[in-house]
Formats: sequence, structure tokens, C-alpha cells
Amino acid sequence: SQQGEEDPQALSIQEGENATMNCSYKTSINNLQWYRQNSGRGLVHLILIRSNEREKHSGRLRVTLDTSKKSSSLLITASRAADTASYFCATVHSGNTPLVFGKGTRLSVIA
Amino acid sequence: DADVTQTPRNRITKTGKRIMLECSQTKGHDRMYWYRQDPGLGLRLIYYSFDVKDINKGEISDGYSVSRQAQAKFSLSLESAIPNQTALYFCATKESGANTGELFFGEGSRLTVL
Repeated sequence: SQQGEEDPQALSIQEGENATMNCSYKTSINNLQWYRQNSGRGLVHLILIRSNEREKHSGRLRVTLDTSKKSSSLLITASRAADTASYFCATVHSGNTPLVFGKGTRLSVIA
Repeated sequence: DADVTQTPRNRITKTGKRIMLECSQTKGHDRMYWYRQDPGLGLRLIYYSFDVKDINKGEISDGYSVSRQAQAKFSLSLESAIPNQTALYFCATKESGANTGELFFGEGSRLTVL
């Protein structure tokens, strides 16, 4: 399977702290995306980073991509209780191939 | 109204029954997907379609079939449901084109097979 792997599987932090989640994948990619899922709900796209990009920002989110290590990280700064959710990375390996999702990181932000 | 609508949202059925999950979208996207989510396993692709009459198998297509009746509709069928098909099923859509990578998800259909 080409499925990515997120690390850690679960993360618990205090409100105001930063949360970092990592994603590793096995084969070369066209782009990598991060999604968020509130409990039992549909996934929501957060950010996309292309293979020729190294870092991207969106609000309190910062994503990095290291294609030499086949890894990405998602940083959420100044976390809030409302950030409690599962976060998934998903990779696109070529233009028309479907996204392949990792198993997710479950983030709990304690107020 | 939601852009991607799945019906039913919850279904309990018995082993051996035929089940259909339906997905409709108002986004005008060409590409539609069915994923399955199990605890601890993330999302796995069942089938996908790039256009009407285009059907492609995903990672775990055995025991499932799909129909793309129109651009806006993509249905998933379980021919003879079994307990290990108990899962949360998601439909998703995507605009075709190399620069648009985002998937838009429905709210999910929770299926329990007894």
C-alpha cells in the first residue's frame, strides 16, 4: 500500500500550545494535502503543498514538505479547544491518481 | 443545502442483504469517489469515477459495485452485505484538472451489518 503514515497516532495538548503532526509516505508525489475531521463528520480540506514547494502557511497552519525524506509536517500554532479533531495527510502520486490517505492523528486540545 | 449529500446517513442491515448508498453533488465536479473509514485504518478507496460511464476500482473494491448514473450522482452497492463491511462510508468529489487537488466530502453514511 502507498498509504502515508501519520505520527503520532494521538496527541493531547493544552490550549495555547502548538501542535505538530508528521506524515511520511513511500513513493514520489505530485502534491500532499492535509484534512481535518471532526468526530464522525466528513473530512475538510485544510491545505495543499506541491512537490516543488517546501513550506506553506494558512492562518495558524504551517505545512512543510521534505521530498528527500518523503515527509511532511503540519503545525497548528496557538491551539484552541475547537482544533480538537483528527488530522489526515493525503498524497497524490501523479496527476490523475486518487488521493491516498494516512491513518490520521487524533488531536485533543484541553481548555 | 450541502454540496455533497449522502443518503442514508445511518443504516442497520442484516448479513446477506443488498444495500445501496447514494451520493449526489451540486458542485458540478467530474470526479467522484467512494471511501471507507474504519477505526485506526484511515480512509481506503473503494471505487472512483472520472465521468459518467467511467468506473475504476480502488484499493478495496471486492464485495462492492458502483454506478455513475449522471455527472451529479454516484451510488455504491453492497451486493450481499457481511459484518466486516460495517464502517463509515464517504463520498467525495473533485474538480478535474492538474491544478485542483482538493476533495470535497459528504457527511458520511454509517453502515452496520449484523
